[in-house]
Amino acid sequence: GAVVSQHPSWVICKSGTSVKIECRSLDFQATTMFWYRQFPKQSLMLMATSNEGSKATYEQGVEKDKFLINHASLTLSTLTVTSAHPEDSSFYICSARDLARGGTDTQYFGPGTRLTVL
Amino acid sequence: QKEVEQNSGPLSVPEGAIASLNCTYSDRVSQSFFWYRQYSGKSPELIMSIYSNGDKEDGRFTAQLNKASQYVSLLIRDSQPSDSATYLCAVRKGGGADGLTFGKGTHLIIQP
Repeated sequence: GAVVSQHPSWVICKSGTSVKIECRSLDFQATTMFWYRQFPKQSLMLMATSNEGSKATYEQGVEKDKFLINHASLTLSTLTVTSAHPEDSSFYICSARDLARGGTDTQYFGPGTRLTVL
Repeated sequence: QKEVEQNSGPLSVPEGAIASLNCTYSDRVSQSFFWYRQYSGKSPELIMSIYSNGDKEDGRFTAQLNKASQYVSLLIRDSQPSDSATYLCAVRKGGGADGLTFGKGTHLIIQP
C-alpha cells in the first residue's frame, strides 16, 4: 500500500513553455501533498504544501505564479511550471500523507519527474 | 547555520561492518525525524522514523535520537553492498501536515 505515482517520469521542453507534472496517490487518499525540488548533488528542498480544495502554501523564495499547484481531489495534485527556463531544470518529487493514517506523519514519495529545459 | 547538517562523505565501510551516519539539526522545536535512502536518479525511500529520545531498531537498522544534543544517527549493521546509497536525514517541525527539511545526505559506499 501507500503508492504514489508521478507523470511524466521525465520531460524535455523548450524555454518559455509550460510543463504540467501530476502526482497521484494510487491506493489511499491524501488531503496533503508536498512538492520538492532537487538540483544535482543537492538535497531535496520543499517548494510547497498542497491541500485538497484550498490554495497551496509556498516556501519562502518559491514563486507561486511560476509554480502553479492544484490539488483538486484527494488523489491528485498537479504542479505546472510556467514559462520554464533552463534554471528550472531539476528533479521534481512529490510526496503524500495518508489520510487514513492521520495519527502518523509518514510521507510517501513519488518516483520523481526529471525536467530538462532547453 | 544550516537547518539539518550531515557529513557529505563519501563514507566507506567494509562489507559486514557497522555503518554509522550522523545528523544534527538546528531547530529545537523539531518533533519528528526520518532517515531516507536515495539511490542515484531515484526518489527517497523511508528507512526509519523516530520521535522520542533513545534508540529504535528495525532489522539491521537502528536510529538514535538525542533531542538535548539535537542529534540523530543511523546505524546499519552487517552492511551489504546494496546499502551503498545516499542517506538523507529529514526533520519535521510540527505535525503531519508539515513538510520535511532535508540534509544534503551522506554518500555511503560498502566495499565488498
